[in-house]
Amino acid sequence: DVKVTQSSRYLVKRTGEKVFLECVQDMDHENMFWYRQDPGLGLRLIYFSYDVKMKEKGDIPEGYSVSREKKERFSLILESASTNQTSMYLCASQWGQGEQYFGPGTRLTVT
Amino acid sequence: QKEVEQNSGPLSVPEGAIASLNCTYSDRVSQSFFWYRQYSGKSPELIMSIYSNGDKEDGRFTAQLNKASQYVSLLIRDSQPSDSATYLCAGNSGGSNYKLTFGKGTLLTVNP
Repeated sequence: DVKVTQSSRYLVKRTGEKVFLECVQDMDHENMFWYRQDPGLGLRLIYFSYDVKMKEKGDIPEGYSVSREKKERFSLILESASTNQTSMYLCASQWGQGEQYFGPGTRLTVT
Repeated sequence: QKEVEQNSGPLSVPEGAIASLNCTYSDRVSQSFFWYRQYSGKSPELIMSIYSNGDKEDGRFTAQLNKASQYVSLLIRDSQPSDSATYLCAGNSGGSNYKLTFGKGTLLTVNP
């Protein structure tokens, strides 16, 4: 079974803090993704990576950056957290152009 | 812009009935489609993949794809209260596009 883990299930941060969300997959998948999910807006792609050190912007990259130093790990960074970044953050991994498998999610609250 | 459209619901069916969830997509190049189930407060869980026209069955679930009509559906037979969840439809494009476009989901409630 594919296993995707995320560093935290719940996180509370203050406005202006730098926030790191980590995602690890154990299936040697090439592609990894970061989404955020908000009520009424569905899943929105923030960034994705198709190889180590490679990244591409998704639909809503503003205010975020990513890092992929190792194939199994993909990190999402909020440089200076703001209240409008309060959301559920979901990481996914994928082999080729097949199915994406999601981690359990991190519910981030920025106060 | 590529779009995947789903009825937002909620769709309510009695226990034991067939639940029918529908999805249309705008990108004619789309090759692969996926159905995810998402329980409240949880992450999406893959339940079906379909790549070619026709039906694909897996237990109580049947996915149907009609590329000419740009339509994909999910049938759940003998619906159970545990099937109550939001169902997300997603499609990708052929070529080198790894990204999936997700619909906003249909909320299904199965009443005992």
